[in-house]
Amino acid sequence: DGGITQSPKYLFRKEGQNVTLSCEQNLNHDAMYWYRQDPGQGLRLIYYSQIVNDFQKGDIAEGYSVSREKKESFPLTVTSAQKNPTAFYLCASRGTSGTGELFFGEGSRLTVL
Amino acid sequence: AQSVTQPDIHITVSEGASLELRCNYSYGATPYLFWYVQSPGQGLQLLLKYFSGDTLVQGIKGFEAEFKRSQSSFNLRKPSVHWSDAAEYFCAVGAAIAAGNKLTFGGGTRVLVKP
Repeated sequence: DGGITQSPKYLFRKEGQNVTLSCEQNLNHDAMYWYRQDPGQGLRLIYYSQIVNDFQKGDIAEGYSVSREKKESFPLTVTSAQKNPTAFYLCASRGTSGTGELFFGEGSRLTVL
Repeated sequence: AQSVTQPDIHITVSEGASLELRCNYSYGATPYLFWYVQSPGQGLQLLLKYFSGDTLVQGIKGFEAEFKRSQSSFNLRKPSVHWSDAAEYFCAVGAAIAAGNKLTFGGGTRVLVKP
């Protein structure tokens, strides 16, 4: 089945540590996105990538980094510079045909201890 | 800049009653509009979308939404709510597919269903 796989689903980290969240898609989509979700704030865009080896900052990119070396993969690193990293992180993708809807993974919940 | 407002943070509705969730958007051109649903701890599932044509859009799970350009609204409705409709609902706005376009989401409305 085609879809988006995020891992791990739950992750705990100590303050000062970097952590990388995985996002893999087999939908053959060009564009991929990372959103952060906090209670009552909806989804806020962290980074997005339209093609391989290219990505742009979203609204809340500080303290995060990404790479896009393969079409299928768009990992997100939460660095120690992110002051409040505890959140639910959602990866999404979008094809170039159709009407622009995003397809989402199941999310990764990061908790900083 | 595009933005989306969902005025109701929580809505409680009895099973079998009708449901309406409000969504107001700000966008400088013809918008693409979406409603998504999220169960706790899960990703988002697309309910329906509007991009042109008939302003009343039918979606999955018996939901519909109406686009009203004059009011900058895209409200979601369901005539009879089932207990399984308890979830959080997000409205989103974006442009036509082009380089750099992305969706902007509202803050969400959490729906509780009473037996």
